[in-house]
Amino acid sequence: KAGVTQTPRYLIKTRGQQVTLSCSPISGHRSVSWYQQTPGQGLQFLFEYFSETQRNKGNFPGRFSGRQFSNSRSEMNVSTLELGDSALYLCASSSDRSGNEKLFFGSGTQLSVL
Amino acid sequence: SQQGEEDPQALSIQEGENATMNCSYKTSINNLQWYRQNSGRGLVHLILIRSNEREKHSGRLRVTLDTSKKSSSLLITASRAADTASYFCATPRSSGNTPLVFGKGTRLSVIA
Repeated sequence: KAGVTQTPRYLIKTRGQQVTLSCSPISGHRSVSWYQQTPGQGLQFLFEYFSETQRNKGNFPGRFSGRQFSNSRSEMNVSTLELGDSALYLCASSSDRSGNEKLFFGSGTQLSVL
Repeated sequence: SQQGEEDPQALSIQEGENATMNCSYKTSINNLQWYRQNSGRGLVHLILIRSNEREKHSGRLRVTLDTSKKSSSLLITASRAADTASYFCATPRSSGNTPLVFGKGTRLSVIA
């Protein structure tokens, strides 16, 4: 079974630009969560989608958005990039409806904003 | 907001020694999970312990949970250089349908 796939692996953008990150979950998994990881703040929850519906949302500004498609693949978008958005963005999938079972993580997208 | 907090922040040991990491959390939980992350990569799930369990083993890993103290510990026995990584505890943000909240992790270095 293929794992969680995130693309691209690395991304360099400049302030003010927008970016779209992609995540393909493990086959059969319908829950996809996104996390932002920085050295100072650690892992911060962004949002979670289940069957194309946003089920939970973290405390991030509206510049951060996401969606999930009918095949469970998910994208997240960050508009008007700021220097502080530089981070490792991690996607995780789960088969569970309750949100309380283990997560399977992708390798992440390392975003650098210059 | 942080739910789990790991202690210590960093730990350096010799190969063959045991490594113990602790996690404290704030609210009632129905499970607590431990994950491992190699530098710049995704997290890998190690073990899940439910609130009605006190101890769980997986290979060289031993996890304990004390719900009265709201704390958990992860013990890695006979450590190897390959165990060098960051270790995170994670708990549901609150009851019900809720995402996992991670601590800031313990950075473990195992010196050969």
